[in-house]
Amino acid sequence: GAVVSQHPSWVICKSGTSVKIECRSLDFQATTMFWYRQFPKQSLMLMATSNEGSKATYEQGVEKDKFLINHASLTLSTLTVTSAHPEDSSFYICSAREDAYQETQYFGPGTRLLVL
Amino acid sequence: AQTVTQSQPEMSVQEAETVTLSCTYDTSESDYYLFWYKQPPSRQMILVIRQEAYKQQNATENRFSVNFQKAAKSFSLKISDSQLGDAAMYFCAYRSAYPNFGNEKLTFGTGTRLTIIP
Repeated sequence: GAVVSQHPSWVICKSGTSVKIECRSLDFQATTMFWYRQFPKQSLMLMATSNEGSKATYEQGVEKDKFLINHASLTLSTLTVTSAHPEDSSFYICSAREDAYQETQYFGPGTRLLVL
Repeated sequence: AQTVTQSQPEMSVQEAETVTLSCTYDTSESDYYLFWYKQPPSRQMILVIRQEAYKQQNATENRFSVNFQKAAKSFSLKISDSQLGDAAMYFCAYRSAYPNFGNEKLTFGTGTRLTIIP
């Protein structure tokens, strides 16, 4: 089946530093990847949609300069949380889809971010 | 905009029994996809089952089946012979069938936490 990995699985950083999270599709080429944020006991909130080779589309209320997304290849997308602050602490999940006509998204295992 | 509603924040069921999780949605589209995802304590989202709106037949995957009522905009998940490993958060999700710009994202419900009682 379709496998998506994320790295790191958890990260602790100091306030003001930047953190990069990688999302990889391991056995398929993902033209589109999605980045979600999930707070404890809540649903997934879509942050942005990333298409390979083009700029990401951010959801309303998500700061583009804060959450930098790069989708440079068909198997890798990265989310960089710049100048992280404690309120950025959360669980970040990526998902990937092969192409626009494949309706199923496959999710990565998530990354726990704790900003001190 | 589409919305997905899960009115049961928590459910519990005895092991080996059957449980049904509810999901309703609102859309003006005629063609779309519906999904149930499971999120166990590991927090890995796992696809349980999917339904294509243009198919009248309810989807089935082993012990998991859905009751898709298009006119009522209802999409419930039935878990038969519940097992301890079924304990998780279950999310219902909607996706348009038209992959135009902005329509490709999943819209999730708020989730139902399922507890299995041994």
